[in-house]
Amino acid sequence: QPVLTQPPSVSGAPGQRVTISCTGSSSNVGAGYDVHWYQQLPGTAPRLLIYGNTNRPSGVPDRFSGAKSGTSASLAISGLQAEDEADYYCQSYDSSLSGVFGGGTKLTVL
Amino acid sequence: QVQLVQSGAEVKKPGASVKVSCKASGNTFTSYYMHWVRQAPGQGLEWMGIINPSGGRTTYAQKFQGRVTMTRDTSTSTVYMELSSLRSEDTAVYYCARGRGYSYYDYWGQGTLVTVSS
Repeated sequence: QPVLTQPPSVSGAPGQRVTISCTGSSSNVGAGYDVHWYQQLPGTAPRLLIYGNTNRPSGVPDRFSGAKSGTSASLAISGLQAEDEADYYCQSYDSSLSGVFGGGTKLTVL
Repeated sequence: QVQLVQSGAEVKKPGASVKVSCKASGNTFTSYYMHWVRQAPGQGLEWMGIINPSGGRTTYAQKFQGRVTMTRDTSTSTVYMELSSLRSEDTAVYYCARGRGYSYYDYWGQGTLVTVSS
């Protein structure tokens, strides 16, 4: 079972704003380790979307933003576009010396 | 431009081993850790382990301890992931990903499909 908990699916209409939550525990997110987010389009490798809780790599639109508080983090996508339809994963580090992922959230643009 | 190019798809029988390669472009091979992540069909991402290409030190996820071996060849800027005692549940796409230490993964390979079937 995934160590980090995400909702299986979210949806929104074009132009709307959606958020995806990611909940960890005191051994990973709550221990102060950063949360990162990836976007995976069908049939492709994941792409880094947000790193260090709130930072966007070059080329990622500012419609994507991240936040973290306590044992949880969130990814917000504003101004939804059809091309945002994808799977989104949160990721962190665990004090058991391993990387950990959320189970993934499927975003549907209505 | 960083590129990670992985070896091609594999079909293996249960009990066999598979070795997947990941060749990095650029001159920074020993400056970044390399992670391996897998994704079973229709499932999420699963972290398998990490290798430091500089000294070869590895850390493996507890789930794969004893079955996985990660190595590197600095002369060809290539890392390898070998998984043994394969079972059907190991059928997945295996990705290498360049890591900022143990933190996040900024570049990913294209993935290698490993199918385990009798």
